[in-house]
Amino acid sequence: DAGVIQSPRHEVTEMGQEVTLRCKPISGHNSLFWYRQTMMRGLELLIYFNNNVPIDDSGMPEDRFSAKMPNASFSTLKIQPSEPRDSAVYFCASSLQENSPLHFGNGTRLTVT
Amino acid sequence: GDSVTQMEGPVTLSEEAFLTINCTYTATGYPSLFWYVQYPGEGLQLLLKATKADDKGSNKGFEATYRKETTSFHLEKGSVQVSDSAVYFCALRNNNAGNMLTFGGGTRLMVKP
Repeated sequence: DAGVIQSPRHEVTEMGQEVTLRCKPISGHNSLFWYRQTMMRGLELLIYFNNNVPIDDSGMPEDRFSAKMPNASFSTLKIQPSEPRDSAVYFCASSLQENSPLHFGNGTRLTVT
Repeated sequence: GDSVTQMEGPVTLSEEAFLTINCTYTATGYPSLFWYVQYPGEGLQLLLKATKADDKGSNKGFEATYRKETTSFHLEKGSVQVSDSAVYFCALRNNNAGNMLTFGGGTRLMVKP
């Protein structure tokens, strides 16, 4: 079991640049979640997909954020343009079904200068 | 809406001490309750869960009992080890609210040898 795979592990970019975070869920899992973790706000759910379809994106902070899941084995979270306040650790998680336990990746630490 | 409240950390203990991390929740209906653990540099991992009142979840020496009368799910361990040092998150999933997890703010545990 390879677990949820996220890339890159670390990303440092300048304000205004586009950032793309990638996630490969566990094979066979039908639900995928994107979370953001900061010291100030803790763990926040940004968006989740079920069977590749976005179900709830109410946590996406602004139009600068977008997420896609073109197939069952890949998802991206894009920030364009990035801002310093977007600096955080972004986690992807997947679950077998909507009400199954979540399996988290190791996260992408994003720093926007 | 649903919410989870955890004691603020950090909690600092000596090895072999008794651990309690308090967690209370607010939710309609009958949510499922979870404890997740996050080790440094990693994503969250499911530690234990309970799906109905009076259920006790247990794993790796940790226990938590679902107390509906006090809306609590306190995490306990009789004898902590240095390797237990991590951040612990209490969470609930409410089947009446879209099956998404609601996380508490996390409690950092530091165990000293």
